[in-house]
Amino acid sequence: RKEVEQDPGPFNVPEGATVAFNCTYSNSASQSFFWYRQDCRKEPKLLMSVYSSGNEDGRFTAQLNRASQYISLLIRDSKLSDSATYLCVVDLSSSWGKLQFGAGTQVVVTP
Amino acid sequence: SQTIHQWPATLVQPVGSPLSLECTVEGTSNPNLYWYRQAAGRGLQLLFYSVGIGQISSEVPQNLSASRPQDRQFILSSKKLLLSDSGFYLCAGGVGGGTDTQYFGPGTRLTVL
Repeated sequence: RKEVEQDPGPFNVPEGATVAFNCTYSNSASQSFFWYRQDCRKEPKLLMSVYSSGNEDGRFTAQLNRASQYISLLIRDSKLSDSATYLCVVDLSSSWGKLQFGAGTQVVVTP
Repeated sequence: SQTIHQWPATLVQPVGSPLSLECTVEGTSNPNLYWYRQAAGRGLQLLFYSVGIGQISSEVPQNLSASRPQDRQFILSSKKLLLSDSGFYLCAGGVGGGTDTQYFGPGTRLTVL
């Protein structure tokens, strides 16, 4: 089983609609969770950290479910500029901060 | 906040040639530094990490090596490139500790022919 698993998509979303997708992780001891965004042929950029109580940053909402070991990302009022690959990232509980990146979920927002 | 610089942006090298990719960090001291490779359509694979000068740990056996001659400099090298070394090489930096948020440089796209 992969340490971090994501649905590769693509999720085709009409502009203005809401899209949500999950990521599952296997290490129950993981403490840190992140969503990164990666545009085509560019470096990943931190979108948001995911906190235990869930958190929101503008149109983006992240949730953590420790019991079922998954995190989710919801994008409201999708914009064309939200088209990207979203990487789920989980720490592997090492002392030096090793992170495991998922392969990503592709989102395509259409006009 | 820290900024990660990488160069070159694009590189085409023949099989068997040497490689040297440089990464430098601005805006922080004693960062954790990482080298990742991303093959086309794939996730990021951690190659090396470093928690300090001269301290390098390798995650996977391979044709590559890394060095950290200065606090904010991280170098990825190979003596002889293989076709399978092609990919998108990303350097990342973090402030360290068990909850290390990592920030990436712009990457080097390497094609080995």
